[in-house]
Amino acid sequence: AQKITQTQPGMFVQEKEAVTLDCTYDTSDQSYGLFWYKQPSSGEMIFLIYQGSYDEQNATEGRYSLNFQKARKSANLVISASQLGDSAMYFCAMREGQTGRRALTFGSGTRLQVQP
Amino acid sequence: NAGVTQTPKFRILKIGQSMTLQCAQDMNHNYMYWYRQDPGMGLKLIYYSVGAGITDKGEVPNGYNVSRSTTEDFPLRLELAAPSQTSVYFCASSPSNSPLHFGNGTRLTVT
Repeated sequence: AQKITQTQPGMFVQEKEAVTLDCTYDTSDQSYGLFWYKQPSSGEMIFLIYQGSYDEQNATEGRYSLNFQKARKSANLVISASQLGDSAMYFCAMREGQTGRRALTFGSGTRLQVQP
Repeated sequence: NAGVTQTPKFRILKIGQSMTLQCAQDMNHNYMYWYRQDPGMGLKLIYYSVGAGITDKGEVPNGYNVSRSTTEDFPLRLELAAPSQTSVYFCASSPSNSPLHFGNGTRLTVT
């Protein structure tokens, strides 16, 4: 089974509108972390936001927020007031608590295009 | 502050050739990782290391080898390159539970 599922290969949003990128995950661990990364066309991986499984409040970082629904095993990224520079690939990733390696497992990504 | 430095940025190999992708970090992170990203896909873990002298396989280790003789360096060795190894390779590092810091990637083509 896929550990991280991103069901939206591509999304369009109008500039200044909000957009939600979906992510569901699968783990039997009680302790885990969820991450979102942005990959612009230049190729680098940029960390956006983190949510721990025990965090009671949804994480926020500027225009980014993470809509964490633990019972549904979803960790959707919400980008408010989209900007043209938000056009990029977005990856959801998970770190499971019981493995010692601390590696992240990535989803297949969502390509977001912001239209003027 | 250099962060994670990968060299080279680009490389073209012929089938059967070997090469080493270099990765160095100056943040004193214990954990280091190698991922590959095929076109239009997410990242898959090749190898990782939890500290100097300790390495282990990830999801897709076949055709690769690593070593970790120092905290700073984590080179990835490709032996007998194959077209299936055409990909973008990312090195990353982290302290224990923090986000991964990525290098800018090496784009490798095997023809």
